[in-house]
Amino acid sequence: DIQMTQSPSSLSASVGDRVTITCRASQTISSYLNWYQQKPGKAPKLLIYAASTLQSGVPSRFSGSGSGTDFTLTISSLQPEDFATYYCQQSYSTPMYTFGQGTKLEIK
Amino acid sequence: QVQLVESGGDLVKPGGSLRLSCAASGFTFSDYYMTWIRQAPGKGLEWVSYISTSGSTIYYADSVKGRFTISRDNAKNSLYLQMNSLRAEDTAVYFCARDRRYGGYQRFDFWGQGTLVTVSS
Repeated sequence: DIQMTQSPSSLSASVGDRVTITCRASQTISSYLNWYQQKPGKAPKLLIYAASTLQSGVPSRFSGSGSGTDFTLTISSLQPEDFATYYCQQSYSTPMYTFGQGTKLEIK
Repeated sequence: QVQLVESGGDLVKPGGSLRLSCAASGFTFSDYYMTWIRQAPGKGLEWVSYISTSGSTIYYADSVKGRFTISRDNAKNSLYLQMNSLRAEDTAVYFCARDRRYGGYQRFDFWGQGTLVTVSS
């Protein structure tokens, strides 16, 4: 199975900060990488697919980049509603999809 | 608008069974692969199973293979997960999700709110 490792596991930041979360795959996955946001008690929400394509309706302050094994999710200017847990997911190894362990973004 | 509503979660004893349902609306259900994903309390996300549009292709995670059965009824716009021989480690919120495959890239673009399954004596 392809292992996905996110860093950091948790992060404290302030409103207006630029934040970057990293996801590393245990083998190359081309651009088959998705990012989700999950708030407590809620379902995950798709933010970005194919490593860098913004899902419809997602604010443009979210962006994704990378290919191969290393990927990043960047939030250009944190808003109060962005404090949540973020997960990456590889879709290269169908059907054995795997998620990263999550990055919890907290208010400083 | 796309809606996915899970039901059927409950407290069940180890070794017991449970059937989860997911009612879909707002899109042509029969056009999409569907997936179950679970999240143990305080933990991350784990893909459980998926089913193709017609039900002819099905896959399971190794952790549930032989115990869980996914199915769908396109006439009723519904997805199911039959869970047998339940174990404590199956305790989780179970989400159904629409599995979108377009342009060669897969993603889970809509999720239900989840239903809680607790396996405990």
